[in-house]
Amino acid sequence: NAGVTQTPKFRILKIGQSMTLQCAQDMNHNYMYWYRQDPGMGLKLIYYSVGAGITDKGEVPNGYNVSRSTTEDFPLRLELAAPSQTSVYFCASSYEGGRGTEAFFGQGTRLTVV
Amino acid sequence: AQTVTQSQPEMSVQEAETVTLSCTYDTSENNYYLFWYKQPPSRQMILVIRQEAYKQQNATENRFSVNFQKAAKSFSLKISDSQLGDTAMYFCAFIGRYNNNDMRFGAGTRLTVKP
Repeated sequence: NAGVTQTPKFRILKIGQSMTLQCAQDMNHNYMYWYRQDPGMGLKLIYYSVGAGITDKGEVPNGYNVSRSTTEDFPLRLELAAPSQTSVYFCASSYEGGRGTEAFFGQGTRLTVV
Repeated sequence: AQTVTQSQPEMSVQEAETVTLSCTYDTSENNYYLFWYKQPPSRQMILVIRQEAYKQQNATENRFSVNFQKAAKSFSLKISDSQLGDTAMYFCAFIGRYNNNDMRFGAGTRLTVKP
């Protein structure tokens, strides 16, 4: 059972570089989320999607972009990486967030911007 | 937007004892869901327990139970008979039923179970 798969697991970026964090789920979930977790802190919502073609900003969207062209995939794009984006990034999905269904999380991507 | 507050950054408990983690939230919605998630050192987020706001009865899952006080907007987690494997970060989370479908988390409480 794959669940939520995030790639890569680790990445080091130089300031100003760009990259895409991949997230895929095979549970036919409608809702997908991207969070960042800074050391010793909670999860901050970056973007979320309630279905293919629909995305919306969370608490900390600046410096990021997302797309949701299919139900399965929800990539997160970092443009012009900055040291402030050093964090662990989690992707999550749930069948129907508004009905309080359980969210399943990927293993996280540890990103360091130097 | 809704906010979730966990006021205890760190807690510790002796093995086999009981510990309560606090969570408060702010929302204008009447229908919503609350969760406690556990994050062990492996970083994998695991659902511990879930509460539906329109249900008066507090949720329980084996050694884990909640004290849900809707009027006070309080949602605490009680862990009974604590085990070493309970050592982890615990996050309280909120999602609205109709609006605010973005799931928000508190800052977390680091729980250490001591032998």
